[in-house]
Amino acid sequence: EVHLVESGGGVVRPGGSLRLSCAASGFTFDDYGMTWVRQVPGKGLEWVSGINWNGGSTGYADSVKGRFTISRDNAKNSLYLQMNSLRAEDTALYHCARGVGGYVFSDYWGQGTLVTVSS
Amino acid sequence: EIVLTQSPATLSLSPGERATLSCRASQSVSSFLAWYQQKPGQAPRLLIYDASNRATGIPARFGGSGSGTDFTLTISSLEPEDFAVYYCQHRSNWPPNFGQGTRLEIK
Repeated sequence: EVHLVESGGGVVRPGGSLRLSCAASGFTFDDYGMTWVRQVPGKGLEWVSGINWNGGSTGYADSVKGRFTISRDNAKNSLYLQMNSLRAEDTALYHCARGVGGYVFSDYWGQGTLVTVSS
Repeated sequence: EIVLTQSPATLSLSPGERATLSCRASQSVSSFLAWYQQKPGQAPRLLIYDASNRATGIPARFGGSGSGTDFTLTISSLEPEDFAVYYCQHRSNWPPNFGQGTRLEIK
């Protein structure tokens, strides 16, 4: 069974940093692209970033480009999102998800980790 | 940037009825469109990808159609568990935006 578990969320001040992690199990991790999608509670979905199977290709939403970095460690079946220069508008529930045919559409999702940016 | 507009915002139907949800793109996305279902407190679930391909384990009552700028998600006969929020997403170019969602509620 595919299982994705995010961690690393929390409360951080504007301008601060956080590193999110996603532990994957139940599938061959390095066969798939992976994505991060965020959602403000009660609001819609926003695709944040994606990475292909070997980390050789990545993509970012304009809203996070230059501030967030996606990476993966296939030996550890793990996905990461380094978030720097955090802003209040980055406050959201961050989901990691397994890619379908790339790293945009996502078929299995984790339950998310909550990031709150507040002074 | 391609904007996806979903309609209606809210759809009120009864179990057993047919549901038709629309997603319109501001420019062509070819067939690069997906549909997701999200229930309260749960992560989204992929229903349809590349306009008409059902994801693994998705019941046959869910169908996707369309290409270019106009897409439709059809639920042929609503089950009680189908009442949720539905989102479309494209992957035609950057950023791969989502639509704002359609809430399907029980009438």
